[in-house]
Amino acid sequence: GAVVSQHPSRVICKSGTSVKIECRSLDFQATTMFWYRQFPKKSLMLMATSNEGSKATYEQGVEKDKFLINHASLTLSTLTVTSAHPEDSSFYICSARRNTGELFFGEGSRLTVL
Amino acid sequence: DQQVKQNSPSLSVQEGRISILNCDYTNSMFDYFLWYKKYPAEGPTFLISISSIKDKNEDGRFTVFLNKSAKHLSLHIVPSQPGDSAVYFCAASVGTSYDKVIFGPGTSLSVIP
Repeated sequence: GAVVSQHPSRVICKSGTSVKIECRSLDFQATTMFWYRQFPKKSLMLMATSNEGSKATYEQGVEKDKFLINHASLTLSTLTVTSAHPEDSSFYICSARRNTGELFFGEGSRLTVL
Repeated sequence: DQQVKQNSPSLSVQEGRISILNCDYTNSMFDYFLWYKKYPAEGPTFLISISSIKDKNEDGRFTVFLNKSAKHLSLHIVPSQPGDSAVYFCAASVGTSYDKVIFGPGTSLSVIP
């Protein structure tokens, strides 16, 4: 089956630093990838849609300068949390859409900001 | 306003019995519905889906029922197994292009041996 990989799976950083999370589709090309954030006991909240070769589309309420998304190739999208603060601590998940329309999710990345 | 609702945050079921997970939605434009299963610290994995032109879809032990008039769907797992213990997310989209799939808050299922 299709595999989407996220790296790192866990990251701890100091407040004020930036953290980059990678999302790779390992066996298919994905023109569209999605980034979600999951709060404890809450649903997956769509943050942004990442389109290869163009700017990401952010959902209402998501700061685009805070959460930088780059989709430089058909197999890689990155989410950079800039100037991270403790309230940014969360579980971030990406998904990649195959040309058949199916969504495949990464394993998620747990970010802890101290 | 939550467009996809799962009103039971948790559910416990005895092994071998039926698990019924419920989901309600408010947006009448949704016409494609999905269930995802998620283990802790892992990404969700697709379980089963249903299009609005159907009212039932079955895959092994998993059956999804859709009642469009009530804007309600349910996932039945029978017989339930301990390995089914996970969080189940109901999700909905407009069309099958998977643009902006909206997730419910999830129901944590515990299957007791």
